[in-house]
Amino acid sequence: EAQVTQNPRYLITVTGKKLTVTCSQNMNHEYMSWYRQDPGLGLRQIYYSMNVEVTDKGDVPEGYKVSRKEKRNFPLILESPSPNQTSLYFCASFSPSGGTEAFFGQGTRLTVV
Amino acid sequence: DAKTTQPNSMESNEEEPVHLPCNHSTISGTDYIHWYRQLPSQGPEYVIHGLTSNVNNRMASLAIAEDRKSSTLILHRATLRDAAVYYCISYGNKLVFGAGTILRVKS
Repeated sequence: EAQVTQNPRYLITVTGKKLTVTCSQNMNHEYMSWYRQDPGLGLRQIYYSMNVEVTDKGDVPEGYKVSRKEKRNFPLILESPSPNQTSLYFCASFSPSGGTEAFFGQGTRLTVV
Repeated sequence: DAKTTQPNSMESNEEEPVHLPCNHSTISGTDYIHWYRQLPSQGPEYVIHGLTSNVNNRMASLAIAEDRKSSTLILHRATLRDAAVYYCISYGNKLVFGAGTILRVKS
């Protein structure tokens, strides 16, 4: 079954404590992307990756890092989380041509206190 | 990804058809048009996509204008479970979402 798996689903952490949200896909997609979603602001792209070791900033990259060492994995790293990064996060994987559907993870609800 | 424009919200009665419009006037010739929907606190769910021709699947139909500057998602018989935010995306290589259309379905 094609799927994107995010972990954890829920996370409460304290300001400044580094954390990583993992994302893994089993469809051999070249492209992967991270979004955050806040009330009234829709899905905003944080970072995306076109292939292994190829990443680029989205619309709201400040305070986040990503890496793409393997095709299937695209972790999101918050090195020093702050309360304004409290949000719902989604990972997606998709093909570069657009001829097939994109797949999304179930989401990670992060609270930074 | 080309910019898309959708109405902020629409309302439909249950069991009636719904036509959700989307403008994508700057779409390039190779960009697919994708539609996704999202329920509260869930990840976006694929609905349908197309390039030039109209498309049908078990969930919906997609009507694409001849000049490809607009498209319409058609839900043939809206149910309460169809109430969601619907996103139209002119699919380049970044998969960028616009604000979407909030669809409300009345029983």
